[in-house]
Amino acid sequence: AQSVTQPDIHITVSEGASLELRCNYSYGATPYLFWYVQSPGQGLQLLLKYFSGDTLVQGIKGFEAEFKRSQSSFNLRKPSVHWSDAAEYFCAVGFSGGSNYKLTFGKGTLLTVNP
Amino acid sequence: EPEVTQTPSHQVTQMGQEVILRCVPISNHLYFYWYRQILGQKVEFLVSFYNNEISEKSEIFDDQFSVERPDGSNFTLKIRSTKLEDSAMYFCASRNPGYEQYFGPGTRLTVT
Repeated sequence: AQSVTQPDIHITVSEGASLELRCNYSYGATPYLFWYVQSPGQGLQLLLKYFSGDTLVQGIKGFEAEFKRSQSSFNLRKPSVHWSDAAEYFCAVGFSGGSNYKLTFGKGTLLTVNP
Repeated sequence: EPEVTQTPSHQVTQMGQEVILRCVPISNHLYFYWYRQILGQKVEFLVSFYNNEISEKSEIFDDQFSVERPDGSNFTLKIRSTKLEDSAMYFCASRNPGYEQYFGPGTRLTVT
C-alpha cells in the first residue's frame, strides 16, 4: 500500500537559518507530490506541487522542493526562515486511480522558529 | 481568487445525533473530496465524488457516512449517528482534472 513518511515530528530553527523538511513516499510509480502548510486552527494551504517535468519546483513564500525519483523523496527547502513560517507542514502524495486521485498525507512536521 | 467554503466552522453535537457538514466547492471544479483530521493526527482521506457518484471511499467511510451534491453548488457530508470518535476537523476539497486539490478552512466537529 502507498505511504508517506515525514521522519521529523518537530523541528526548531532560528530565524534566518535554512530549512529542509524531509518527505519520503512508497509507491510503484511516480505520484503527484504536494506540500501543504497548516497554521493553528486553520485549513490547508498549498505551498507547491509536482506533477511532472522539472524536478525542482518553486512555491509560494520562498519555498522550493526537489523530487528525487531514486530516493522516492520530495524534500521541502527554504534558504532563510521567517518567524511567520512557524506552522505544521504536511507532505501529501496523490496516487492516480485513472483520472481521479486521492491524497495520502504524512503525519506532519511542526516547525518552531526561534527569534 | 475563488475558494472552497465550509459551514459551520464549528459544530457541537451529542452522540447519536445526525450532523450535516456543508461545503461549497470552487464553481467550475468537477472532483470533490472529504478528508478528516483527528486532533494531533494526520489528515485522512474519506471519500471522493465525481459525476454525481462516489468514485472512491476509505475504510473509515462506513454506512454511517453519506455524501450528496443536492444542487449545483453544495457538497455535503452526513454522519447519521455520531460517535465520540467522529470528533475531528473535516476538510472539503475540490479540483479540476490535472490540477491540485483546493481545501476549505474545515469544520471542527465535537461530539459529546
